[in-house]
Amino acid sequence: GQSLEQPSEVTAVEGAIVQINCTYQTSGFYGLSWYQQHDGGAPTFLSYNALDGLEETGRFSSFLSRSDSYGYLLLQELQMKDSASYFCAVRDQGDRGSTLGRLYFGRGTQLTVWP
Amino acid sequence: AAGVIQSPRHLIKEKRETATLKCYPIPRHDTVYWYQQGPGQDPQFLISFYEKMQSDKGSIPDRFSAQQFSDYHSELNMSSLELGDSALYFCASSLGPSGKEQYFGPGTRLTVT
Repeated sequence: GQSLEQPSEVTAVEGAIVQINCTYQTSGFYGLSWYQQHDGGAPTFLSYNALDGLEETGRFSSFLSRSDSYGYLLLQELQMKDSASYFCAVRDQGDRGSTLGRLYFGRGTQLTVWP
Repeated sequence: AAGVIQSPRHLIKEKRETATLKCYPIPRHDTVYWYQQGPGQDPQFLISFYEKMQSDKGSIPDRFSAQQFSDYHSELNMSSLELGDSALYFCASSLGPSGKEQYFGPGTRLTVT
């Protein structure tokens, strides 16, 4: 089976840096994705890591260590609009060994940014 | 840029009724995924299609069925609705079956009374 662990809540102030960690267990790992979701909205794709290392996209960076089954999302220069839920999701081959990557989501981390 | 379109956005049904949710993927995207998200929960994978063929199946009840049509849009058919089916249903699409970047639609909020 698959399981992902991430903190349920994180709070920070505007301009700060916050790191959201994600550890996972999976049978056929392809890659780790991060999605942002505002209340009642659609998950929005942020990043995808298939290989070890850091990927940077503007204020957001994502890191993966496959040997540790661990990744994190780093958000810099926090803004009020960053308040949302952040999900890590494992792209996996599925229970039947399918090569098509369904996503398994963590429970999400609620980020609250204070002024 | 064009996004994933889902209709309807809101749907209210009674127990034992049927519902059909529609999804129109981003143009040129050939893979569609359906997810169910309960209140305060993470999205759960239901089913996916690639090039009009079912490609993967997750925790989708037997009461539900889905298909992808020649124009790549997809429909999720839900019968004998139960109270527990109340949730947000998201459709996502990707270019190619790898699904590295899945783009989600705005969702259909289904309420079963």
